[in-house]
Amino acid sequence: NAGVMQNPRHLVRRRGQEARLRCSPMKGHSHVYWYRQLPEEGLKFMVYLQKENIIDESGMPKERFSAEFPKEGPSILRIQQVVRGDSAAYFCASSTSGRTVYEQYFGPGTRLTVT
Amino acid sequence: DQQVKQNSPSLSVQEGRISILNCDYTNSMFDYFLWYKKYPAEGPTFLISISSIKDKNEDGRFTVFLNKSAKHLSLHIVPSQPGDSAVYFCAASVDSGTYKYIFGTGTRLKVLA
Repeated sequence: NAGVMQNPRHLVRRRGQEARLRCSPMKGHSHVYWYRQLPEEGLKFMVYLQKENIIDESGMPKERFSAEFPKEGPSILRIQQVVRGDSAAYFCASSTSGRTVYEQYFGPGTRLTVT
Repeated sequence: DQQVKQNSPSLSVQEGRISILNCDYTNSMFDYFLWYKKYPAEGPTFLISISSIKDKNEDGRFTVFLNKSAKHLSLHIVPSQPGDSAVYFCAASVDSGTYKYIFGTGTRLKVLA
C-alpha cells in the first residue's frame, strides 16, 4: 500500500510565478491536510479538505493561496505570484477520518524555493 | 509567537545511552501532546502521545514525561540506537480530538555508534 505521495519533491520558482504542489493521499483516505514549515519554525496547519470540499482553511494566507481536492486526482495546493517568504517545506497528510493528527499519515514534503 | 518551543536544535548521544529531548509550552490550555519523528526525505511519523491527566506514558524504549506545573515535556529514549537518528517534533493541542496541533521547531538527534 503506497504511502502519501507528493510531487514535485523540490520546486524552484522565480518571484511572481505560480507554484502547484500535488498530493496523492493513501489509498482509501478521503481527508487531506496541508501544512507548511517555514525555516526555523514548526509545522503549521494550513487547510483541511475532503473530496470536493474545503472543511477548514483557517491556516491559509488570505491571498495568493488556494487548495482543492477534486473528485478525481490529487489534491493541489496552488500559490500564485510567489514571493521569497513562500520558500518553505510543504507537507500534506491524509487520513480515513477527520480526527486527531496522529491518525494522519504524512507525505515526504515539497521543498519550495523562491528565487 | 511560538507556543511550543524546542530550544535545543540538535543533540548527539552515544549508542546505548539515554537520549532526552525537551519541549516547553506556554499555553496552559494545552491538554494533549504528541511526539513525531522525521527521517530525511520522509514525512513526520507519529511516535507517542500523552494526555494532561497523566504525567508519564511509556511505549517500549520511548517514554514521555509531562510536568504541567512547569509546562514542560520530555521524550526519553533508552537505550538509544543509531536508527533513532532523526528530527523529533513535539506538538500540543487544547483538544485530543482535533486535527490542529501546534508543532515545535524540532530537535535533530544523532546517535553515534
